[in-house]
Amino acid sequence: AQSVAQPEDQVNVAEGNPLTVKCTYSVSGNPYLFWYVQYPNRGLQFLLKYITGDNLVKGSYGFEAEFNKSQTSFHLKKPSALVSDSALYFCAVRDPPESGGYNKLIFGAGTRLAVHP
Amino acid sequence: DAGITQSPRHKVTETGTPVTLRCHQTENHRYMYWYRQDPGHGLRLIHYSYGVKDTDKGEVSDGYSVSRSKTEDFLLTLESATSSQTSVYFCASSYVSFSNQPQHFGDGTRLSIL
Repeated sequence: AQSVAQPEDQVNVAEGNPLTVKCTYSVSGNPYLFWYVQYPNRGLQFLLKYITGDNLVKGSYGFEAEFNKSQTSFHLKKPSALVSDSALYFCAVRDPPESGGYNKLIFGAGTRLAVHP
Repeated sequence: DAGITQSPRHKVTETGTPVTLRCHQTENHRYMYWYRQDPGHGLRLIHYSYGVKDTDKGEVSDGYSVSRSKTEDFLLTLESATSSQTSVYFCASSYVSFSNQPQHFGDGTRLSIL
């Protein structure tokens, strides 16, 4: 069965420092991976996706993610964190076509990012 | 972002009462989804729709039903609400393509069942 794991409930980082939010996945077949961000009292906003191609994917708000097939990881990164990046981050994997497809997603439990001034 | 509106945004009700949550999208997306968000579980899929009157169960469908009579509207019903259904509910929609389009989310409904 498809699954994603976000091993850290919370990540703390100082403003201006690089940040990493970790995600590992387990899939059958090719992985289609996504990162979303959720601000308080709001829905999830799409940040970036990996389908195929370059292992470094660039997304919104200066975020990028590194796909590593051998480590089955898809970590979210940003070179210099901002206080406004503080939010809840979700990694997700698309359900495989043999399960019906329909762009269904399976989400990790989420990681809360706290950026301190 | 895609225009997805959820109503109501907040609701408090009592155990055993029926509850209907509404999702309206203006993007003509074919696929629509209902999730619940609970601490430690991320988002879990309740039901989804792949077209008008075409729906199917997700991971946590027990106690929930859905209906989709128009492309733009997707309703989630709790026939007899229980305290375990206290949660934040999110609707999402997605464009149909072969390039794995992301889902777009509404701002959620916070439902409390006393």
